Amino acid sequence: QKEVEQNSGPLSVPEGAIASLNCTYSDRGSQSFFWYRQYSGKSPELIMFIYSNGDKEDGRFTAQLNKASQYVSLLIRDSQPSDSATYLCAVTVTGRRALTFGSGTRLQVQP
Amino acid sequence: DAGVIQSPRHEVTEMGQEVTLRCKPISGHNSLFWYRQTMMRGLELLIYFNNNVPIDDSGMPEDRFSAKMPNASFSTLKIQPSEPRDSAVYFCASSYGSSNTEAFFGQGTRLTVV
Repeated sequence: QKEVEQNSGPLSVPEGAIASLNCTYSDRGSQSFFWYRQYSGKSPELIMFIYSNGDKEDGRFTAQLNKASQYVSLLIRDSQPSDSATYLCAVTVTGRRALTFGSGTRLQVQP
Repeated sequence: DAGVIQSPRHEVTEMGQEVTLRCKPISGHNSLFWYRQTMMRGLELLIYFNNNVPIDDSGMPEDRFSAKMPNASFSTLKIQPSEPRDSAVYFCASSYGSSNTEAFFGQGTRLTVV
């Protein structure tokens, strides 16, 4: 079992819709959770981080964390074509200070 | 701040040659990470430094790979000898603190070994 799992996609949504990206992790001791966005040919850039169960909102983005079920999700409201990218979920794994990344979900927002 | 600076941006080399990738972290950051990204394996951590000291090198594939951080503003990742399977994008990232909060990535070095 991979430590961080994501559906590779592509996830295709129409412009203006809500895009829902999901991530599951295997380590129950994980404490910190991050969402990065990576445009093709570019480096990952941090969108949000979340540490506590529940929702965290930042503009059009909402991160949701459920430690009991070991999943974290990212909702993008009012999706725009410029949101088309690969979204990487990353967690801190017990005993390893650096982030462990999932393989990413490719999002396509259709105009 | 200019962000994390990596050089070169692209490197094409022949199998068996030595390759050195360079990274300048963001000033004031005390953690530095080298990652490798491929289509097959995604983004993998190679090595992590904290205060210039290697903390976790469990991701370094084999002895052909080595990394150094002689001071707080410079790190290198060396592959000797290089092999075609080393072809990937190598990212350097830095952060402040020991828990890798808000790591900032450099633009990456695209390495092609032919």
